[in-house]
Amino acid sequence: DAGVTQSPTHLIKTRGQQVTLRCSPKSGHDTVSWYQQALGQGPQFIFQYYEEEERQRGNFPDRFSGHQFPNYSSELNVNALLLGDSALYLCASSVRGSNQPQHFGDGTRLSIL
Amino acid sequence: GQQLNQSPQSMFIQEGEDVSMNCTSSSIFNTWLWYKQDPGEGPVLLIALYKAGELTSNGRLTAQFGITRKDSFLNISASIPSDVGIYFCAGRRTGANNLFFGTGTRLTVIP
Repeated sequence: DAGVTQSPTHLIKTRGQQVTLRCSPKSGHDTVSWYQQALGQGPQFIFQYYEEEERQRGNFPDRFSGHQFPNYSSELNVNALLLGDSALYLCASSVRGSNQPQHFGDGTRLSIL
Repeated sequence: GQQLNQSPQSMFIQEGEDVSMNCTSSSIFNTWLWYKQDPGEGPVLLIALYKAGELTSNGRLTAQFGITRKDSFLNISASIPSDVGIYFCAGRRTGANNLFFGTGTRLTVIP
């Protein structure tokens, strides 16, 4: 039973570029949440998707957008990259309407040069 | 975004010692979670708490959901080298699905 999988594991981009990160949720999970974890900090909530729509959003600019596919997998897109976007991007999955906790993937380490 | 106040920031302990860390918030949460994160990996769930006053154990780990619903603590008994890592508390508010995370406690166990 595969857990949450994310790709790629590492990525290097330059300022102004765009990036797409991918996430496959744990089997049986239908809800995907994305978090940004800066070095030395706890994860911060970006947004959550279920039924292919963004349902909840944290305090992140519109440069951060996402998508969820019919198979529940999800993408996080970041446009016009800034140096401050360098972070570990974590995907977490859960079951909508359930009180069960979110399970996290190992993240994508994004470095902006 | 809001982050919970977690203390201590770091701990250096001898193998075999007990560890205690806590997390406080200005907001009420209906769920408290404790995660451990190793370098290069995502957070791994240790314990989930769903009711004020709840005390839950997972092996050598014990966590409690504070009765005010604004705090939680995690205890680790008889620490071992593999307990090394960063421990995060996380809270979830009623009606919301996102988690608010603490700032983390970095634990070092000296053999």
